[in-house]
Amino acid sequence: SAVISQKPSRDICQRGTSLTIQCQVDSQVTMMFWYRQQPGQSLTLIATANQGSEATYESGFVIDKFPISRPNLTFSTLTVSNMSPEDSSIYLCSARKPGTTNTGELFFGEGSRLTVL
Amino acid sequence: KNQVEQSPQSLIILEGKNCTLQCNYTVSPFSNLRWYKQDTGRGPVSLTIMTFSENTKSNGRYTATLDADTKQSSLHITASQLSDSASYICVVRGEGGGADGLTFGKGTHLIIQP
Repeated sequence: SAVISQKPSRDICQRGTSLTIQCQVDSQVTMMFWYRQQPGQSLTLIATANQGSEATYESGFVIDKFPISRPNLTFSTLTVSNMSPEDSSIYLCSARKPGTTNTGELFFGEGSRLTVL
Repeated sequence: KNQVEQSPQSLIILEGKNCTLQCNYTVSPFSNLRWYKQDTGRGPVSLTIMTFSENTKSNGRYTATLDADTKQSSLHITASQLSDSASYICVVRGEGGGADGLTFGKGTHLIIQP
């Protein structure tokens, strides 16, 4: 398994500000992802964090709004920029261990609950 | 379009009772199906994985079934405990979804009452 730590666990932010969420994995992983979980909705993939290169964003998500960094195999950050109340959500970091591509198991952090006023 | 539908949306049962959660999917071609448990304020944790050739798999009091012909899966919880209160998410892997083909259901919110 992999233990994933996220911080902050929760925050209350003002409209127009930006917040960076950090994700630390206890071992090297091949893939890291960022998800958004809104109430009553399924997890939505924001992007795949690529080590040493630009993240790969899913439809509806752009780098200017959600810049992502992944400087090494165990750490990634997600920034939610110029926040509005619609960005209030839980943001989850996830990772996949090497050699598990076919099984597709994802390990998740505990999430960062953002409330934008 | 790949879809995963879960039912019921929410469920309340008494401690000690059994329950069954349903997952219907239209993901094709199918690779595997996972059930995750998400406790309040925590990230999802995998309970079990079902591949095409598997019909039934148990993990303690949790038993998952898969019917690849009808594209249905169920998660049966036996002798429920208060700690089973959580959201249960069905995730199907196939081609066409994000993150190497994963399509997520919205989850079933299960509440176990004493």
